[in-house]
Amino acid sequence: GQNIDQPTEMTATEGAIVQINCTYQTSGFNGLFWYQQHAGEAPTFLSYNVLDGLEEKGRFSSFLSRSKGYSYLLLKELQMKDSASYLCAAMDSNYQLIWGAGTKLIIKP
Amino acid sequence: DVKVTQSSRYLVKRTGEKVFLECVQDMDHENMFWYRQDPGLGLRLIYFSYDVKMKEKGDIPEGYSVSREKKERFSLILESASTNQTSMYLCASQAREINEQFFGPGTRLTVL
Repeated sequence: GQNIDQPTEMTATEGAIVQINCTYQTSGFNGLFWYQQHAGEAPTFLSYNVLDGLEEKGRFSSFLSRSKGYSYLLLKELQMKDSASYLCAAMDSNYQLIWGAGTKLIIKP
Repeated sequence: DVKVTQSSRYLVKRTGEKVFLECVQDMDHENMFWYRQDPGLGLRLIYFSYDVKMKEKGDIPEGYSVSREKKERFSLILESASTNQTSMYLCASQAREINEQFFGPGTRLTVL
């Protein structure tokens, strides 16, 4: 079956760095997405990886290893506004997104 | 900026009622999706559409139907609402040539 695993909740300190991991098993693979979702709001796109390696976008970076079925989202210089849920989703061979349950990130001062 | 709007942010209905959830996008996207989001679960695809009058079942279509009479509008219909359909409903749109999906603000539906 198809499956996405990510931690349910993480806590980090303002100004620090946090890494949110995601492992996936899908029928075929056409890329890995990360979305951010603040409480009560719509998910918003953060990143898309289809090739192995690290993609950096400001304070946020996303890494993919296709051979290991593994991705992570790295958030640097954490700010209070980064408190949100982070959703990992893998695109399968039918170009459908398989979603993880999300990781709730709590930032403490 | 892409804008996806949903007809209601909050909705309360009674068991057995027919419920319509509307979604409109303003970027001429071909693809549109309806998901439901429940605590502890990932987004689950109910139905999607790749073109006007086209619809495809997602992972959990039971108890739902959809309508896409115009390119910009994708409606989700609960023929006879049940309490287990209490959930957050998210609509998304996507241009055919890109992978990113753009989400509406969601409708939190409570069925009593």
